Amino acid sequence: KAGVTQTPRYLIKTRGQQVTLSCSPISGHRSVSWYQQTPGQGLQFLFEYFSETQRNKGNFPGRFSGRQFSNSRSEMNVSTLELGDSALYLCASSHGYEQYFGPGTRLTVT
Amino acid sequence: GIQVEQSPPDLILQEGANSTLRCNFSDSVNNLQWFHQNPWGQLINLFYIPSGTKQNGRLSATTVATERYSLLYISSSQTTDSGVYFCAGKDDKIIFGKGTRLHILP
Repeated sequence: KAGVTQTPRYLIKTRGQQVTLSCSPISGHRSVSWYQQTPGQGLQFLFEYFSETQRNKGNFPGRFSGRQFSNSRSEMNVSTLELGDSALYLCASSHGYEQYFGPGTRLTVT
Repeated sequence: GIQVEQSPPDLILQEGANSTLRCNFSDSVNNLQWFHQNPWGQLINLFYIPSGTKQNGRLSATTVATERYSLLYISSSQTTDSGVYFCAGKDDKIIFGKGTRLHILP
């Protein structure tokens, strides 16, 4: 089975812009979760989607949003980018409790 | 309080040495997993271990759920074992520890 894929792998944006990141889960996995990793805050949970519904949400401002499509692919969007949004964004899919991660999207905001 | 706590934060060992990494977790946290983050940032699954002991080659893990801790053992370390090791558990969401940065010297 193919693993979790994320696109793009690298992205450079300017403050104030918006960005959309994409995640394709492992075939058959209906749950997709997103995480932000920064040197200062570590790995932090953003949100989880299951069957197109947001099941859980972390403590991030409303500028961070996401959605899941009927084929379980997921996107996350960050609007009005700030310098502090520079991070590695990781997506994980799961069939039960065990999470499988994609390679991540490294976002740099200048 | 702290829900998932890892120790030590940093570990430097000579190639061939053994190591033990620890993860303490709160009562509300279950479904422990261990990951290795490679230099490119990818999180590689090592073990899903809510309880008991599992082994995979030179790596093994033990979770004692009643005492709220998990241990990851790495035997005969190799330079390719270097990187950051995370444990994570599930409360109502997945919570990661801050990781143990392991550096294996040749």
